[in-house]
Amino acid sequence: NAGVTQTPKFQVLKTGQSMTLQCAQDMNHNSMYWYRQDPGMGLRLIYYSASEGTTDKGEVPNGYNVSRLNKREFSLRLESAAPSQTSVYFCASIRTGWNTGELFFGEGSRLTVL
Amino acid sequence: GQQVMQIPQYQHVQEGEDFTTYCNSSTTLSNIQWYKQRPGGHPVFLIQLVKSGEVKKQKRLTFQFGEAKKNSSLHITATQTTDVGTYFCAGGSGNTPLVFGKGTRLSVIA
Repeated sequence: NAGVTQTPKFQVLKTGQSMTLQCAQDMNHNSMYWYRQDPGMGLRLIYYSASEGTTDKGEVPNGYNVSRLNKREFSLRLESAAPSQTSVYFCASIRTGWNTGELFFGEGSRLTVL
Repeated sequence: GQQVMQIPQYQHVQEGEDFTTYCNSSTTLSNIQWYKQRPGGHPVFLIQLVKSGEVKKQKRLTFQFGEAKKNSSLHITATQTTDVGTYFCAGGSGNTPLVFGKGTRLSVIA
């Protein structure tokens, strides 16, 4: 049972390059989330998708775009990477609703922007 | 917007000592969740509390939800090296995503 799968696990970019982080879940969950984690800052929500076909901004959406491709997949795109986007990115999913029930996290994608 | 404050930011304990982390929300919550993240790992769900004054135990871990549903605590009795990691609380209310505290990093000295 894979749960939440993120790719890539590691990536190094140069300033201005673009890339897409992929996330897929096999638990038939409705809601999916993208977080970034920086030292001392906890988990900050970038974007979320409460259900297939909808996406909304979280706390720190600037510089990012998302696509809920289908119920399983939720991708995060950096159009023009900046050093401030160096971080660990986590995708997560939850079965129903907004905030009730276990949030399942992927293993993370470690991004460095030079 | 809703804010969740968590203290302390860091805690260093000798193995066998107790540990407590506290979480406070600026608004009344419908539920609070706790997660553990091992070094280099991803957050893993520990528990969810939904009732006012609720207390739940998992072996050496005791979780409490305040009467006003605005604060919570996680207490670990007799810490072990396997308890090392960062503990996050996350508050839920209304039709909004969970809001995470900044976490408490626990170090256990053997």
